[in-house]
Amino acid sequence: DAGVIQSPRHEVTEMGQEVTLRCKPISGHDYLFWYRQTMMRGLELLIYFNNNVPIDDSGMPEDRFSAKMPNASFSTLKIQPSEPRDSAVYFCASRTLTGELFFGEGSRLTVL
Amino acid sequence: GNSVTQMEGPVTLSEEAFLTINCTYTATGYPSLFWYVQYPGEGLQLLLKATKADDKGSNKGFEATYRKETTSFHLEKGSVQVSDSAVYFCALSKNAGGTSYGKLTFGQGTILTVHP
Repeated sequence: DAGVIQSPRHEVTEMGQEVTLRCKPISGHDYLFWYRQTMMRGLELLIYFNNNVPIDDSGMPEDRFSAKMPNASFSTLKIQPSEPRDSAVYFCASRTLTGELFFGEGSRLTVL
Repeated sequence: GNSVTQMEGPVTLSEEAFLTINCTYTATGYPSLFWYVQYPGEGLQLLLKATKADDKGSNKGFEATYRKETTSFHLEKGSVQVSDSAVYFCALSKNAGGTSYGKLTFGQGTILTVHP
């Protein structure tokens, strides 16, 4: 299996622009998680899905953030409009029934 | 609610030194416990896990024992290498009927640096 695939790996954009991050989970995993990691705040859970349904989005910082999972093999995290404080590494992860999380390599976002 | 507390870092050791990173947890029931490692520029990856009391997880020379009486899951390695330099995260997951569910609760991470 190719593992969790994220794109883009790096994104540099200007404040106010829309950013879309993409994730393909491992086939057969029924949970998908979006995390954000910064030096200041560490690893933060933004939202997670079970069987494509959003279960807990309490970590989404504000209305500028949205996430979708239209099918079992694809999810997006969108920021509109983006701000410099959104600069971070965004990780997608999927998990097995035994609880093991498999992380993608992350999308490093820089908002100028 | 569930929570995980790790010893604060950063931890700096010389090669071949003994490593302990403390982790304690608060949870209802019988959670599964995990250690994840994050190498520079990469995502987190599972290092080891334990699913019930007194289980010992082990991998790559690292070990951790699920201690329900002390609600702890301390990570140990007898002789660290420079290549072990990374960030280590303790985590727990709720269980029901042998199946893990919901989100994982992570500790804040401990930075380990090993010098030659």
